[in-house]
Amino acid sequence: QVQLQESGPGLVKPSQTLSLTCTVSGGSISSGSYYWSWIRQPAGKGLEWIGRIYTSGSTNYNPSLKSRVTISVDTSKNQFSLKLSSVTAADTAVYYCARAKIFYDYVWGSYRVDAFDIWGQGTMVTVSS
Amino acid sequence: DIQMTQSPSTLSASVGDRVTITCRASQSISSWLAWYQQKPGKAPKLLIYKASSLESGVPSRFSGSGSGTEFTLTISSLQPDDFATYYCQQYNSYSGITFGPGTKVDIK
Repeated sequence: QVQLQESGPGLVKPSQTLSLTCTVSGGSISSGSYYWSWIRQPAGKGLEWIGRIYTSGSTNYNPSLKSRVTISVDTSKNQFSLKLSSVTAADTAVYYCARAKIFYDYVWGSYRVDAFDIWGQGTMVTVSS
Repeated sequence: DIQMTQSPSTLSASVGDRVTITCRASQSISSWLAWYQQKPGKAPKLLIYKASSLESGVPSRFSGSGSGTEFTLTISSLQPDDFATYYCQQYNSYSGITFGPGTKVDIK
């Protein structure tokens, strides 16, 4: 049974870079069948997708965060990571990692990425001096 | 960007009630819509994908319908474990994923 676990500092100073890692257990991140995403949720608010990565290193980012986000993968450690630069208090949130399956859409003749079927438990990150 | 809206934002209901939540997309997303349930302090849980497909292990009292821009999540008979916040999410666009603002289902 695949499980995801986020880790990283719970407190980051304004203007610095937030760095988190998601460790995948019970399955290989290199299987090629999934995209791996980061999603965040400020306290009492909704969910915001940050971006995703494929095992090859191919990425897609939320346009609103693209200039500050880098997602990378380390297949040797079965992990993927998030870096968010120039953080402010607005980046304070619970950060989740999640998995989405890739499937072939026979109607449109292309590959698609499905919904998020497995999530980590989340890690709280506070931006404060 | 595809924007998602949900209504109502809060819904008060009793055990045994039939509950319906609506999600609308700012442009057609075909059937590429998912529904999640989230309880306080927990990660979201996938309930429905591709608008109407029930995720494995999810009770059959949950159902989804719709296509294009309008979608619904229905709980046929609300159970005590169902009091939570529900989010819709579109995944039509390869370049972006967006969630609805959420609907909180609380006890009447």
